[in-house]
Amino acid sequence: RKEVEQDPGPFNVPEGATVAFNCTYSNSASQSFFWYRQDCRKEPKLLMSVYSSGNEDGRFTAQLNRASQYISLLIRDSKLSDSATYLCVVNPMEYGNKLVFGAGTILRVKS
Amino acid sequence: DVKVTQSSRYLVKRTGEKVFLECVQDMDHENMFWYRQDPGLGLRLIYFSYDVKMKEKGDIPEGYSVSREKKERFSLILESASTNQTSMYLCASSENTEAFFGQGTRLTVV
Repeated sequence: RKEVEQDPGPFNVPEGATVAFNCTYSNSASQSFFWYRQDCRKEPKLLMSVYSSGNEDGRFTAQLNRASQYISLLIRDSKLSDSATYLCVVNPMEYGNKLVFGAGTILRVKS
Repeated sequence: DVKVTQSSRYLVKRTGEKVFLECVQDMDHENMFWYRQDPGLGLRLIYFSYDVKMKEKGDIPEGYSVSREKKERFSLILESASTNQTSMYLCASSENTEAFFGQGTRLTVV
C-alpha cells in the first residue's frame, strides 16, 4: 500500500463548480499534512497546510479526518486559473521533516 | 524571496556516464531533499539530508548517491546513468513545514 494515495483524476469541471479531492495516508503517526499545487511544467508550491480543526483560505477548505486517515481539499467557485495538479503531502514523522507526496490529482476547469 | 536553484533545466547524458545534479538554497534551511517525478507516480523521495554531511535514504535510493558538504548545497549523483533514470528531478529545502522547490532538471539518459 502506498503511503499517500490520491485519485489521479482528471476532474473536469465547469467554472463556478465546487470540487473536492480526497487523499488517504497509511501511517497513523503522521502529524503534518499539506496540499501543494503544481502547474504544468512548474515546480510544486504550497497551497495550504491542513490543521486538525480544519482550515479555510478564501475559496479553499482543507480538512483532516484522523480516525479514517484522510485529508480533503474543497474548492468552491472554481476558476480557470485553478487548473493544476493538486498534491497531497504528509510528514510521517519518521525522520524530522521528511515529506511524502501523493501522485497528484489533475483538475481542469473549463469555461 | 526564497530561492532554490538547480544547476540545469535540461540534461542529456549517455548510459554509463556519471551525472551530477546540483542544488543550492539561500534560506539557511536544515533540510534538503531530492525527488524524482514520473507520470502517474508523483514525486518519489530519493534521498534527504537534515544537516551538513548527514543523509538518509528515501524510498528509491538505488542507483543514486548524495553529497552535502555545505549547508546550502545538496548534490545528487548518478554513479552510472541508466535509461530508467530518465526523469524530472526536483530538489527542495525546508525548515519546519513548507518545502520550497527548485525549477527541476529534466534528465534524459540515452
